[in-house]
Amino acid sequence: GAVVSQHPSRVICKSGTSVKIECRSLDFQATTMFWYRQFPKQSLMLMATSNEGSKATYEQGVEKDKFLINHASLTLSTLTVTSAHPEDSSFYICSARPTSGGAWTQYFGPGTRLTVL
Amino acid sequence: ELKVEQNPLFLSMQEGKNYTIYCNYSTTSDRLYWYRQDPGKSLESLFVLLSNGAVKQEGRLMASLDTKARLSTLHITAAVHDLSATYFCAVGRLMEYGNKLVFGAGTILRVKS
Repeated sequence: GAVVSQHPSRVICKSGTSVKIECRSLDFQATTMFWYRQFPKQSLMLMATSNEGSKATYEQGVEKDKFLINHASLTLSTLTVTSAHPEDSSFYICSARPTSGGAWTQYFGPGTRLTVL
Repeated sequence: ELKVEQNPLFLSMQEGKNYTIYCNYSTTSDRLYWYRQDPGKSLESLFVLLSNGAVKQEGRLMASLDTKARLSTLHITAAVHDLSATYFCAVGRLMEYGNKLVFGAGTILRVKS
């Protein structure tokens, strides 16, 4: 149980295009989902916290107009990187907190490798 | 601002040897996590430490927490090649909008046979 999927697992796009990444909780409902970014050989940095049905809370320094987050259902959150540039190339990982689980429970997705040419 | 520091950042070990990874954090936290990450993969949860003096063990890995010193350790006993991975500690903080994790920089562990 407690599986989180991400799609796509890997994407290559041209500079200036937008890319959407999906995060799904497959066997549980998740009121809260988190989006992290990990540059090569670096740690995970929390980008934003999204709660179903409300606006995401972005961490300091993360441009909310560039990284659009939609959490329209209890099993799906999407991250759209708008007008992507090479510096946005990174490993994006989502995690999901079960609605019925403990306040600290968090399951991580497998990650999406974004490469912007 | 909560800061989490790990050291060492890179660790090359011989099989059979013991070593410890350290995780210091700057302010009080609500809990401490250890994760493992294999190349190109996401995070695998290893331990959650909730209180001062907590110690947890799984196989060759043992984690401990000293909340007064704001220090957690991950001890590796008799390392084997399969333990090669990147290990992260993360500190949990209760924020006004929910809980968040702040990660350390990670320790790249290479076990040589």
